[in-house]
Amino acid sequence: NAGVTQTPKFQVLKTGQSMTLQCAQDMNHEYMSWYRQDPGMGLRLIHYSVGAGITDQGEVPNGYNVSRSTTEDFPLRLLSAAPSQTSVYFCASSYTSSFRETQYFGPGTRLLVL
Amino acid sequence: RKEVEQDPGPFNVPEGATVAFNCTYSNSASQSFFWYRQDCRKEPKLLMSVYSSGNEDGRFTAQLNRASQYISLLIRDSKLSDSATYLCVVPARYNAGNMLTFGGGTRLMVKP
Repeated sequence: NAGVTQTPKFQVLKTGQSMTLQCAQDMNHEYMSWYRQDPGMGLRLIHYSVGAGITDQGEVPNGYNVSRSTTEDFPLRLLSAAPSQTSVYFCASSYTSSFRETQYFGPGTRLLVL
Repeated sequence: RKEVEQDPGPFNVPEGATVAFNCTYSNSASQSFFWYRQDCRKEPKLLMSVYSSGNEDGRFTAQLNRASQYISLLIRDSKLSDSATYLCVVPARYNAGNMLTFGGGTRLMVKP
C-alpha cells in the first residue's frame, strides 16, 4: 500500500494563477479531507468528502474547490492563488467519517504564492 | 478562547527525563481525543487515542480530565528520537463529516 500520496511536493505560484493539488489513497477509504497548516495555528479543515460524488465545505473553504469522482482521488483546486494561501497542505483519509477513526495523512504539499 | 490550546514550548529535556504536556479544550461535549506526532516538515501521525480517562502505551501515557477539560501526555525515559512536535487533536462532528481541531502543537527537543 502506498497509503496517501500527494503531488506536487513543492509549488511556487504567482498571485492569480490557478493550480490543482493532487491527493490519492489506495486503502479504499470513504472519508477524505484537506487541511492547511500555518505556523502556530494548527491544521484547519478546508473541504472534506464522505464518499465518491459527495463533498462539503470545512472551516476555511474560501478560494478552494474540490471534487470526488472516484473513491481514490480527491484533488484540491486553487481558483486564483493569493499570498494568504501560502501554506502546507495535507490530505487525509480514513475508513469512515467516524471521529474514532484514525486519520492517515499524506506527506504534504508546500505552496508559496508570490 | 481557542478551541484547543497547547503550550508551544519548546521543551528542552535531557535523555532519560520525564516530560509532560497539557492541552486544554473548549468543547465540553467532546468524547474522543488524540495525540499526533509531527516530525519536522513531515505529516502528522497518530500517537495515541484517548476515549475514557486515559491510555498507556509503553513510555507514553495520556490522561483525560473532563471536569477541567484538559488532556495530558506524559513521556517517560525520553529518547532522542522523541524529539518532535506533539499535536493535541479534538474531533467533532461537522455536518456530515468530522473535523479534527488541532492545537498549535508543543515542540519537544531531547538532548544527549
